[in-house]
Amino acid sequence: EAGVAQSPRYKIIEKRQSVAFWCNPISGHATLYWYQQILGQGPKLLIQFQNNGVVDDSQLPKDRFSAERLKGVDSTLKIQPAKLEDSAVYLCASSLGTDWAGQETQYFGPGTRLLVL
Amino acid sequence: GQNIDQPTEMTATEGAIVQINCTYQTSGFNGLFWYQQHAGEAPTFLSYNVLDGLEEKGRFSSFLSRSKGYSYLLLKELQMKDSASYLCAASPSGNTPLVFGKGTRLSVIA
Repeated sequence: EAGVAQSPRYKIIEKRQSVAFWCNPISGHATLYWYQQILGQGPKLLIQFQNNGVVDDSQLPKDRFSAERLKGVDSTLKIQPAKLEDSAVYLCASSLGTDWAGQETQYFGPGTRLLVL
Repeated sequence: GQNIDQPTEMTATEGAIVQINCTYQTSGFNGLFWYQQHAGEAPTFLSYNVLDGLEEKGRFSSFLSRSKGYSYLLLKELQMKDSASYLCAASPSGNTPLVFGKGTRLSVIA
């Protein structure tokens, strides 16, 4: 079974530039998550989708971050414009979506490591 | 609010046993996850405890006490490849997203 796919794996941009990340979850997984993980910290949830609907985006900095999952499968996360403090690993995860999200095992992709200069 | 506490770093010797503790305070509680994360890689699932007690899975065991808001991950017969960060994550009530701790970086030395 293929895992969660993410691209690109690495990205270096200058502050005020834009960047987009892509995620393809495990086939059949209804729930998709985007996390931000700053070095030395645990993952912080940015946004959670159930199919193509947003379940939780309370920690998403909406003035600069946006995410979509138009067809309920793959998803993109965009940052525009980027700031120095956005340097982090952006992890995508998915779960089946048949139970409460907090009780389901999440399967993580390899992440995109972003460096903002 | 939600809060997870776990030690920042631990060091243990190859072949030994190590216990990584985690305390949590959440608004409601469904269960507790442990994930392993090697440097530069994604977290991978280790265990999920819902009920009090110890669950054993090979060299790894996880314990939960709901009344004390406490869990630990026990790693036996440590191997060099066990050097990684171990993330404790609590599931608050309902459909509230997981809350992750900052992770415990374990170094296994010869």
